[in-house]
Amino acid sequence: DIQMTQSPSYLSASVGDRVTITCRASQSIGSHLNWYQQKSRKAPKLLIYAASSLQSGVPSSFSGSGSGTDFTLTISSLQPEDLATYYCQQSYSTPLTFGGGTRVEI
Amino acid sequence: QVHLQESGPGLVKPSETLSLNCTVSDFSITNGHYWAWIRQPPGKGLEWIGCIHHGVSPYYTPSFGGRVTISMDTSKNQFSLKLSSVTAADTAIYYCAKLPMLRGPRAWFDPWGPGALIIVSS
Repeated sequence: DIQMTQSPSYLSASVGDRVTITCRASQSIGSHLNWYQQKSRKAPKLLIYAASSLQSGVPSSFSGSGSGTDFTLTISSLQPEDLATYYCQQSYSTPLTFGGGTRVEI
Repeated sequence: QVHLQESGPGLVKPSETLSLNCTVSDFSITNGHYWAWIRQPPGKGLEWIGCIHHGVSPYYTPSFGGRVTISMDTSKNQFSLKLSSVTAADTAIYYCAKLPMLRGPRAWFDPWGPGALIIVSS
């Protein structure tokens, strides 16, 4: 199985800050990396697919980059509604696996 | 717009079989997409259970050791999850989700159902 490791597991930032979350795969996965946002007591929501493609309806303040084993999710200007836990997920091979999550507090 | 809704018993006794349905609205489950189950233990991360496509054998996560069965009922536009021999470790929120067209089982999940909390306890 491909292991996905996110860092940090928790971060605290201020409104307007630029925030970066990192996801590392245990082997090369090309661009088969997706990002989700999960707000409290809600289902996860797709933000970014294929490493850098913004899902329809997601604010342009979110962006993704990377390939191979190292990926980043960036929030260019943190807003109060961005309070959530963020997960990466690899779609290179089954079993599909997720990172452990990054909790973002404001 | 496609809508997914999980339904299940809420409480299951240890050693019994957990059964969940995902009802899909405004979209046919035979329309070429894969459909998935994912779970999240309270306060923990996400775990992919498996997925199914109409007319194709399902994919399962090996770590469940053969306890999982995913099936489709096209007459009800539903797909289902059965997890046998449950223990307290299977207590989780269970989500169903849709995968995109033409990507096979190796893809992203969108959208998700709201989730169903299943507690395993006697």
